[in-house]
Amino acid sequence: EVQLVQSGAEVKKPGESLKISCKGSGYSFTSYWIGWVRQMPGKGLEWMGIIYPGDSDTRYSPSFQGQVTISADKSISTAYLQWSSLKASDTAMYYCVWAPYGDLFYFDYWGQGTLVTVSS
Amino acid sequence: EIVLTQSPGTLSLSPGERATLSCRASQSVSSSYLAWYQQKPGQAPRLLIYGASSRATGIPDRFSGSGSGTDFTLTISRLEPEDFAVYYCQQYGSSPLCTFGQGTKLEIK
Repeated sequence: EVQLVQSGAEVKKPGESLKISCKGSGYSFTSYWIGWVRQMPGKGLEWMGIIYPGDSDTRYSPSFQGQVTISADKSISTAYLQWSSLKASDTAMYYCVWAPYGDLFYFDYWGQGTLVTVSS
Repeated sequence: EIVLTQSPGTLSLSPGERATLSCRASQSVSSSYLAWYQQKPGQAPRLLIYGASSRATGIPDRFSGSGSGTDFTLTISRLEPEDFAVYYCQQYGSSPLCTFGQGTKLEIK
């Protein structure tokens, strides 16, 4: 069975950098797209971007292009979401998501979420 | 960019009743690439429907999806207590590849 296990909660200060992770198992990591979805406190879902670990092809939502970096390490079946300089408005729950059917980006499996809190 | 608008914002019903949730797109959703998710408090969302009308694995048949073009509907035929949650629609066929609606909260009346 597909499993996505995310790294733990983070508390950071504005301006700090951060990289959170999502380890995939139960499937061929290089053969399926894996992405990230943001949920700000009390708000809805926002798609951030997605990566195909097989060739590192990465697509971003226009809203998040240039704000975050998505990457993957095939050798350890892990995808990453990275910020170079956090803002208070980055405070949110972040979910990694798995797309089961080629480049049709609906999400059959979700990680448990990583809560990121940015506060001075 | 396709914008999805869900209605109503909140729906108050009783167990056993039928729920009808709407998702309207600002332009046609290609090939009916429309999905529905359920999210309960403190949990990650769960895929219910993809391709506008195909149930995901393990989803009870009281959940059904319909629609095409710009108008889509999620119907829950007879509400169970565990169905009260927030529901999101999502399109995945057009630029910017993936967008979600703002959600409909289904609450117990």
